[in-house]
Amino acid sequence: KAGVTQTPRYLIKTRGQQVTLSCSPISGHRSVSWYQQTPGQGLQFLFEYFSETQRNKGNFPGRFSGRQFSNSRSEMNVSTLELGDSALYLCASSLTPGLAGVVVSTDTQYFGPGTRLTVL
Amino acid sequence: GQQVMQIPQYQHVQEGEDFTTYCNSSTTLSNIQWYKQRPGGHPVFLIQLVKSGEVKKQKRLTFQFGEAKKNSSLHITATQTTDVGTYFCAGRGVSMTTDSWGKLQFGAGTQVVVTP
Repeated sequence: KAGVTQTPRYLIKTRGQQVTLSCSPISGHRSVSWYQQTPGQGLQFLFEYFSETQRNKGNFPGRFSGRQFSNSRSEMNVSTLELGDSALYLCASSLTPGLAGVVVSTDTQYFGPGTRLTVL
Repeated sequence: GQQVMQIPQYQHVQEGEDFTTYCNSSTTLSNIQWYKQRPGGHPVFLIQLVKSGEVKKQKRLTFQFGEAKKNSSLHITATQTTDVGTYFCAGRGVSMTTDSWGKLQFGAGTQVVVTP
């Protein structure tokens, strides 16, 4: 079974531009989450989608948005790029979304290789 | 809100030695997951712990979930160069009163460097 794929793998943009990143989950997985990874900050949760609906959102400004399509593929968009947006953006898919307070063994995150975004 | 803290942030280990990395949450977790990210790679799922006081082993790796389900640890024995990487823990809080409810919170990770 193919893993999670992300495109593009590398991206260089300038401040003020916008960018769209794409993620294709593992076949059969319906939940997609996005994370921002920067040195020393670990993995910062951006959002989680399930069945085309955003279930959770992290503490990021409104410049960060996302969506999920009927085939479970997901995109995230960052508008008006800032230097601090330079990071590795990771997409992860799981069979189902996790539910707080409920043990769900199918919410294991399968990560893609990431998109390395550099903002100049 | 819920915070997941990992210590230490960096761990330098001599090959063959043992070490432990710790994960602490400010709130009770429904479960804890551990991931490993090799240099230049992406996080890969290692294990999930669910029950209070649960202990699981994977070869030289031993994972524990605390009795109060607020902390966890990863112990590696006889460290090898293949253990190099960053180890992350992640958990979902059970409390509906925090803004992090329902979100999978990752710790900042423990970066492990192994000296031959």
